[in-house]
Amino acid sequence: QSALTQPASVSASPGQSITISCTGTSSDVGGFNYVSWYQQHPGKAPKLMIYDVNERPSGASNRFSGSKSGNTASLTISGLQAEDEADYYCSSYTSSSTLVFGGGTKLTVL
Amino acid sequence: QVQLQESGPGLVKPSQTLSLTCTVSGGSISSGSYYWTWIRQPAGKGLEWIGRIYTSGRTNYNPSLKSRVTISIDTSKNQFSLKLTSVTAADTAVYYCARLVVVPHYFDYWGQGTLVTVSS
Repeated sequence: QSALTQPASVSASPGQSITISCTGTSSDVGGFNYVSWYQQHPGKAPKLMIYDVNERPSGASNRFSGSKSGNTASLTISGLQAEDEADYYCSSYTSSSTLVFGGGTKLTVL
Repeated sequence: QVQLQESGPGLVKPSQTLSLTCTVSGGSISSGSYYWTWIRQPAGKGLEWIGRIYTSGRTNYNPSLKSRVTISIDTSKNQFSLKLTSVTAADTAVYYCARLVVVPHYFDYWGQGTLVTVSS
């Protein structure tokens, strides 16, 4: 199975908003509303930020939101803060009953 | 609070078998609401899903690793394990165990990760 496609990096200034895309196929992202997003700081385990395309778990900031259109899911972070600087990964369930991750996006807060 | 902890050798020789165990505390591994999974991350690279196991023992594996991977579960010890055979340097990575909610398939709890280096 191929990794989902994410931009390698994005950057923005504090207070701005960014969107990270996650492109798959009709066999994964496009076929199910089972897309989740994870934040990973250096040396740490990933942390769940969004599940079910656009649901936030308790403890996740409401500055994080998700959406999906066709085979592409997106994560939007509004009101950027220095602590948001991290790597972000999307994940999707697939038609083969497996899970697949995106390649990851490094967010830099300028 | 659910916690997961990986354990096992940090160094494995090429062609040998990598073996890791994940111990779950604060919740039962026999719960029907979750799968138990392994994920790895080579240094400086992205996450790779290895496979998952249900309490019944049913498994699903990443097709690219399927021929070398076995995941098993021991409900009496609240543990699940990973075996990866015929390892090479390309298998050097931080290995995470994680809990996967059955539907809608997201990882809600992760272990801290353990570095496994393949080297002679």
